Amino acid sequence: GQQVMQIPQYQHVQEGEDFTTYCNSSTTLSNIQWYKQRPGGHPVFLIQLVKSGEVKKQKRLTFQFGEAKKNSSLHITATQTTDVGTYFCAGPGAAGNKLTFGGGTRVLVKP
Amino acid sequence: NAGVTQTPKFQVLKTGQSMTLQCAQDMNHEYMSWYRQDPGMGLRLIHYSVGAGITDQGEVPNGYNVSRSTTEDFPLRLLSAAPSQTSVYFCASSYSNIQDTEAFFGQGTRLTVV
Repeated sequence: GQQVMQIPQYQHVQEGEDFTTYCNSSTTLSNIQWYKQRPGGHPVFLIQLVKSGEVKKQKRLTFQFGEAKKNSSLHITATQTTDVGTYFCAGPGAAGNKLTFGGGTRVLVKP
Repeated sequence: NAGVTQTPKFQVLKTGQSMTLQCAQDMNHEYMSWYRQDPGMGLRLIHYSVGAGITDQGEVPNGYNVSRSTTEDFPLRLLSAAPSQTSVYFCASSYSNIQDTEAFFGQGTRLTVV
């Protein structure tokens, strides 16, 4: 079945530095969503990408959808302690009406 | 709007006990779903519903039942709890097909089965 893989699983970042987390699908995706979950919290929707090669920015966060629509990335610049949490990508399930989540990238920020 | 409300927030069960996790949304969303979250495994879909009276299985449905008698409510029933069902459970809703629109998650229910 369709799988969504995220790397890395963990990311330790020095405050102020940049980092990128990657999402790869075994199949072509019609769209991809990104969510953030703070420690002890619930997933919160960040963004959806639909078009091939699409790039969207939210302040220090830059989201990109690959040309082949099989991968996506989230780049955070000048990491802050408020960026701590787990970032999930999610794509449409193979059978429809489903959202398949990647395993997440857990981000820890060192002050 | 309260959004998606889950109860209880915490629960401890003994093996073999049954219970119902409640989920309610006040956004008039057609689509509702249940996920479980285990360390290192992301969110896995248990059951989902595209509207009142319609339910279907997700990736990991065994040991769980659902029903959708109203648009607002989507309870998840554990028939005979097992330690493998120790997890954090999230209910999510979306306006239409979850593949195409933002999903709103509840606060979660942390379940421990001993």
